[in-house]
Amino acid sequence: EAGVTQFPSHSVIEKGQTVTLRCDPISGHDNLYWYRRVMGKEIKFLLHFVKESKQDESGMPNNRFLAERTGGTYSTLKVQPAELEDSGVYFCASSQDRLHEQFFGPGTRLTVL
Amino acid sequence: GQQVMQIPQYQHVQEGEDFTTYCNSSTTLSNIQWYKQRPGGHPVFLIQLVKSGEVKKQKRLTFQFGEAKKNSSLHITATQTTDVGTYFCAGPPSPGQFYFGTGTSLTVIP
Repeated sequence: EAGVTQFPSHSVIEKGQTVTLRCDPISGHDNLYWYRRVMGKEIKFLLHFVKESKQDESGMPNNRFLAERTGGTYSTLKVQPAELEDSGVYFCASSQDRLHEQFFGPGTRLTVL
Repeated sequence: GQQVMQIPQYQHVQEGEDFTTYCNSSTTLSNIQWYKQRPGGHPVFLIQLVKSGEVKKQKRLTFQFGEAKKNSSLHITATQTTDVGTYFCAGPPSPGQFYFGTGTSLTVIP
């Protein structure tokens, strides 16, 4: 069974540019989460999808971040325009339901210069 | 807002020594999960505790969920170099959200 995949693995962009991160969850997992880890600190919750619906997006830092999950399969997280403080590792995770273990992708390391 | 704190933030131990990390939530959690992240890697699920006062063991690892379901601990007996990494507790206080603890970074000195 394929695990959670994320693309790209690394992205280096300049302040003001746009970046789109993609996450492909494990097939059949309705729950999809986005997290961010900055400078080796805590893993911060961004948002949670159940199928194509946003269950909770209270962790999204501001309106420069837009997450979508059209069709309830893969998800994208767009940052526009990127700021320096957006740098960090963005993890995606999926689970069968919200009370079960989450399977994490390898993460996308975003660097904003 | 919801906070899940872990102590200590960092721990250096000699190989063979024991290690414990404590997790405290400001609100009751329906369950608690523990994850391990190796340097440069991604979080990997270790275990889930659901019941109040529950204790589970995995070889040298012992996990405990507090009676009030607001705290938890992970104890490693006789640490090995393979135990190196950051240990996170995590839990869903309410539908939708999922909070990770601040993490404890473990270094094992051979």
